[in-house]
Amino acid sequence: QVHLQESGPGLVKPSETLSLTCTVSGGSISSPSYYWGWIRQPPGKGLEWIGSFYYEGSIYYNPSLNSRVTISADTSKNQLSLKLWSVIAADTAMYYCARLPYGGQSHNYVDYWGQGTLVTVSS
Amino acid sequence: EIVLTQSPATLSLSPGERATLSCRASQSVDIYLAWYQQKPGQAPRLLIYGASNRATGVPARFSGSGSGTDFTLTINSLEPEDFAVYHCQQRSHWPLTFGGGTKVEIK
Repeated sequence: QVHLQESGPGLVKPSETLSLTCTVSGGSISSPSYYWGWIRQPPGKGLEWIGSFYYEGSIYYNPSLNSRVTISADTSKNQLSLKLWSVIAADTAMYYCARLPYGGQSHNYVDYWGQGTLVTVSS
Repeated sequence: EIVLTQSPATLSLSPGERATLSCRASQSVDIYLAWYQQKPGQAPRLLIYGASNRATGVPARFSGSGSGTDFTLTINSLEPEDFAVYHCQQRSHWPLTFGGGTKVEIK
């Protein structure tokens, strides 16, 4: 059973950098069978895809955040990371780590989610 | 990007009734649409993928239909545990996008 666990500061000051880590167990981020991604949800609002990593190094970003976001992976630790630069209050959200199958009928839908971590942007 | 519009925003129904939720895409996504259920304080859960395929363990009272730009999630005979928020998501084109959600609440 795959398990995704997000970790990182719950409070970030405006203009600073949000940094989160997702530790994956029960599965490998080096598998060609999955993307590994980040999705966020502001309080009381809908879901927004941030970006996805694929094992061979391809990374796909949401253009709405592209200039401020970096996703990276540490295959030795089986971890995915998210950095969001120059944060503002509107970046306050629950941030989820996610697994998305590659190929087949379930391609690019989220079949596993982390529990999420709430990040608040405030001074 | 493809915009997904869900309606209604809120659906007030009683247990045992049928729920019909709509998701409309700003351009065709073929059948590449999924539905998720989200309960308070929890991450979403995949219900339907490929417009009409139930994910593993999803009860048969949940069904999806549609193609192109118009999709429907139907919940036959609502159970108490079905009252939640439902999101649609397309994977036809990058960036992946979600609808704004429909809350199914107890009347």
